[in-house]
Amino acid sequence: DGGITQSPKYLFRKEGQNVTLSCEQNLNHDAMYWYRQDPGQGLRLIYYSQIVNDFQKGDIAEGYSVSREKKESFPLTVTSAQKNPTAFYLCASSINYQETQYFGPGTRLLVL
Amino acid sequence: GQNIDQPTEMTATEGAIVQINCTYQTSGFNGLFWYQQHAGEAPTFLSYNVLDGLEEKGRFSSFLSRSKGYSYLLLKELQMKDSASYLCAVRSGPTGANNLFFGTGTRLTVIP
Repeated sequence: DGGITQSPKYLFRKEGQNVTLSCEQNLNHDAMYWYRQDPGQGLRLIYYSQIVNDFQKGDIAEGYSVSREKKESFPLTVTSAQKNPTAFYLCASSINYQETQYFGPGTRLLVL
Repeated sequence: GQNIDQPTEMTATEGAIVQINCTYQTSGFNGLFWYQQHAGEAPTFLSYNVLDGLEEKGRFSSFLSRSKGYSYLLLKELQMKDSASYLCAVRSGPTGANNLFFGTGTRLTVIP
């Protein structure tokens, strides 16, 4: 089955720890994206990658880092510098940077 | 900056028709998307408009007026499973950019 997978579905971490969220796609899409969703707010773009080995900051990149070493994978690291990391994190991909974005199932991160 | 407005909540009856409005103010408009999101799940793509007019897809239709900065999503023959949040997202920026700016979503409750 083709699709976007994110793991784990729920993640708990202590304050001050870095944590890495996984995003994998087997759709052969060039572009990938990371968003966070908070209650009462729209999705906000953290980072995006138009092509492998390239990525750009989105609107709220501070406290986050990414890598794009493989076309299928776009992991997101939430660092201790992120002031309010508890949120629902969504990964998306598109055939190329101009096309419709499709979302993975999301990871809910809770920092205690 | 981007400003996207949609009602927070709506309620409609099973079998009825409901219209969810979205107004936007943005620079460099390059298309408008509607996504459906069930609670705790990923957004799923519903429709895309870049030219003025109505796009119909089964029970769902989406309308765009670029001069008015206005779109609506029309759901016909409502079913209980249509209870979800509906997200309006505007693509804007330089030609070829695919950065999406999301509204806060409209939570639709379908009642028997």
